[in-house]
Amino acid sequence: AQSVTQLGSHVSVSEGALVLLRCNYSSSVPPYLFWYVQYPNQGLQLLLKYTSAATLVKGINGFEAEFKKSETSFHLTKPSAHMSDAAEYFCAVSPYSSASKIIFGSGTRLSIRP
Amino acid sequence: SAVISQKPSRDICQRGTSLTIQCQVDSQVTMMFWYRQQPGQSLTLIATANQGSEATYESGFVIDKFPISRPNLTFSTLTVSNMSPEDSSIYLCSVAASSDTQYFGPGTRLTVL
Repeated sequence: AQSVTQLGSHVSVSEGALVLLRCNYSSSVPPYLFWYVQYPNQGLQLLLKYTSAATLVKGINGFEAEFKKSETSFHLTKPSAHMSDAAEYFCAVSPYSSASKIIFGSGTRLSIRP
Repeated sequence: SAVISQKPSRDICQRGTSLTIQCQVDSQVTMMFWYRQQPGQSLTLIATANQGSEATYESGFVIDKFPISRPNLTFSTLTVSNMSPEDSSIYLCSVAASSDTQYFGPGTRLTVL
């Protein structure tokens, strides 16, 4: 069975600092991996997705994630945090395709300190 | 990308009643899904809405409680039946075209008193 584990339910960084949100996955087949962002009182927006092409995936808003099979990880990073990055971030996995059933992690709430 | 709308955006309902949530997408899509996000929790898939046939439910969700319709490739409804306070959640629909990315609607925030 596929699953994702997000380490840290809450991460706080200073504006301008590096953002690192951790995600480890479990999958018996090559997975499709995603990061979604949810701003307060809004729906989900796709940040980026990995579909077995390049292991370093660039997304919107300056975010990127690296697929590391040996570590079963798909951590999300951004070099310099902005106040507008404050949101809930969900790592997710799908065993079949990017248009199939998605299994979400528990989420990480990112706070930005001025 | 697909533009998805949901109605209602929020509602407050009494225990024992039912609410039907609509999901409309601006283009024909292959797959439509319904998710639930309980307060402070992550998203859980309720079911896959199949066009022209019965929905496929995930473990823990049943058709009598969450009947789903999908009459065409752009529209689906989810009904939350015989509601209790435990059904208070955000309900989101999502869509995907062929092997494309899955896009999410804005959600319906339901409060059951």
